[in-house]
Amino acid sequence: KAGVTQTPRYLIKTRGQQVTLSCSPISGHRSVSWYQQTPGQGLQFLFEYFSETQRNKGNFPGRFSGRQFSNSRSEMNVSTLELGDSALYLCASSLDGTPRTEQFFGPGTRLTVL
Amino acid sequence: AQSVTQLDSQVPVFEEAPVELRCNYSSSVSVYLFWYVQYPNQGLQLLLKYLSGSTLVKGINGFEAEFNKSQTSFHLRKPSVHISDTAEYFCAVRSERGGADGLTFGKGTHLIIQP
Repeated sequence: KAGVTQTPRYLIKTRGQQVTLSCSPISGHRSVSWYQQTPGQGLQFLFEYFSETQRNKGNFPGRFSGRQFSNSRSEMNVSTLELGDSALYLCASSLDGTPRTEQFFGPGTRLTVL
Repeated sequence: AQSVTQLDSQVPVFEEAPVELRCNYSSSVSVYLFWYVQYPNQGLQLLLKYLSGSTLVKGINGFEAEFNKSQTSFHLRKPSVHISDTAEYFCAVRSERGGADGLTFGKGTHLIIQP
């Protein structure tokens, strides 16, 4: 069974631009969560989607948004990029997104904002 | 809301020695507990989890952890480490009721295995 895939793996953008990251969950998984990992703040929850609906959202500004498609693939978008948005963005999928269900993580997309 | 504290940012250990990585959490509600490992340039891999029942949980790669409710701790142990265990280890919690927080992670402990 293929794991969680994220594209692209690396991305360089400049301040003020916007970016879209993509995540393909494990086949059959309906929940996709996104996390931001930085050296200073560590791993922080961005949001979770289940059956095309945002179910949970972390404490991030509105510049961070996402969506999920009918095939469970998910995208996250960051508009008006700031230097502090440089991070590893991790996507995780699970069968149903319930708290006790294991989340499987992808390799991440490393975003560098110049 | 929950919080997780991993007291050691770095733990150097000699190969074949035992290791304990400490994790304490704070929460006003019941939580599930997890340990993840992250190898360089990779995502996170689940080592083990505590949902309920026996407080001693065994995971992959010879790791185990013990849940202590009174001390709100979930320390990770391995009796004999290998050079391949060099990685970043994250303790995480999630409210049993779910909610807006998703997984809440500690800052991580970098396990350094010395030959």
